[in-house]
Amino acid sequence: AQSVSQHNHHVILSEAASLELGCNYSYGGTVNLFWYVQYPGQHLQLLLKYFSGDPLVKGIKGFEAEFIKSKFSFNLRKPSVQWSDTAEYFCAVNPLYNFNKFYFGSGTKLNVKP
Amino acid sequence: ETGVTQTPRHLVMGMTNKKSLKCEQHLGHNAMYWYKQSAKKPLELMFVYNFKEQTENNSVPSRFSPECPNSSHLFLHLHTLQPEDSALYLCASSQWGLPSSYNEQFFGPGTRLTVL
Repeated sequence: AQSVSQHNHHVILSEAASLELGCNYSYGGTVNLFWYVQYPGQHLQLLLKYFSGDPLVKGIKGFEAEFIKSKFSFNLRKPSVQWSDTAEYFCAVNPLYNFNKFYFGSGTKLNVKP
Repeated sequence: ETGVTQTPRHLVMGMTNKKSLKCEQHLGHNAMYWYKQSAKKPLELMFVYNFKEQTENNSVPSRFSPECPNSSHLFLHLHTLQPEDSALYLCASSQWGLPSSYNEQFFGPGTRLTVL
């Protein structure tokens, strides 16, 4: 079955450590790609998105993600995390052949220790 | 109010009750969505409405009945639910259409539903 995989379910880091969260998908063709973040007690917010062009996209709060088409991956990175980055992160894929549908991964919980 | 609002924020209901969830978007979007978020599972898309017309029903049981009277409002009517339906129900909206850069979803805070 087609899917979006986030292999790390729970990540614990110390402040200033570097972060990389994996996202792989199995949908063919052209896709739109998103990372959303859900801070404790808050609603899902868009962190960054990729539609076309430069495969390295920059988002809010120092996050970036790289689209590697050959690997069907869209990994999220941040060079130095802060305690305030503690949240749950969701990768989402929107295949253009099925424009109405968004497929989400199961999420990665990030705990940053002060 | 700005963005996407949902009411109520919390709901506890028995299996024989009938209740409704409400979503309102203040962004001028033309597409609205219902998702189910359960612990340790991917968000599950339930329904999609474009221009008030339902365009997706992702094999959702008939005990969930959506209603979209206009592009700004979306309801989810609940009837004879099961305990496994307990979850966070999220509403989202987007500006559907080309170019694809418009297809970004904005989420509400969700309704935490508990079915006893």
